[in-house]
Amino acid sequence: KNEVEQSPQNLTAQEGEFITINCSYSVGISALHWLQQHPGGGIVSLFMLSSGKKKHGRLIATINIQEKHSSLHITASHPRDSAVYICAATVMDSNYQLIWGAGTKLIIKP
Amino acid sequence: DADVTQTPRNRITKTGKRIMLECSQTKGHDRMYWYRQDPGLGLRLIYYSFDVKDINKGEISDGYSVSRQAQAKFSLSLESAIPNQTALYFCATSLGGEQFFGPGTRLTVL
Repeated sequence: KNEVEQSPQNLTAQEGEFITINCSYSVGISALHWLQQHPGGGIVSLFMLSSGKKKHGRLIATINIQEKHSSLHITASHPRDSAVYICAATVMDSNYQLIWGAGTKLIIKP
Repeated sequence: DADVTQTPRNRITKTGKRIMLECSQTKGHDRMYWYRQDPGLGLRLIYYSFDVKDINKGEISDGYSVSRQAQAKFSLSLESAIPNQTALYFCATSLGGEQFFGPGTRLTVL
């Protein structure tokens, strides 16, 4: 069992829908990361959080440390949001080493 | 100009050939990483370096070697390429846990 699990693996939705991607982890962490990988392959960091909630535009990331769970939400989804969303965890006391989820492939249809 | 660059962006080679993938960064970060990505799997760490004199193996270092020529440069070598090394390779740098990725190198070993 992977130490970082994402769900769903694949998600297809219509433009405008509210999207939720989930990430659960089984180790102690100092931070949780959400990254986006576009079809061209490039990976960009969206959020790094250790508690509570962060918001950037239509993207919201939350984390519940007690439940070892994080969610990424997209409001008013748009076809340009189509990408693979990756969750990663910085393991506590590991000198900032990351363990990676397998990613969630999101397709937003117009 | 991109902060983290990789060359080449695409490479097709034959089994047994020696291949070098290069990574350069202008971010001034001490920490650099090499990952590979295979379809359906999360990123897997090959090697990482916390400064010019520090090189560490990741979870899948067999068949690979690295060289940290300067703070800004970190090269990955496949001494004798094999088909199951066909993958997308990413270089990354980090500061305080957040990682910044290069555009990736798509390597195909025939």
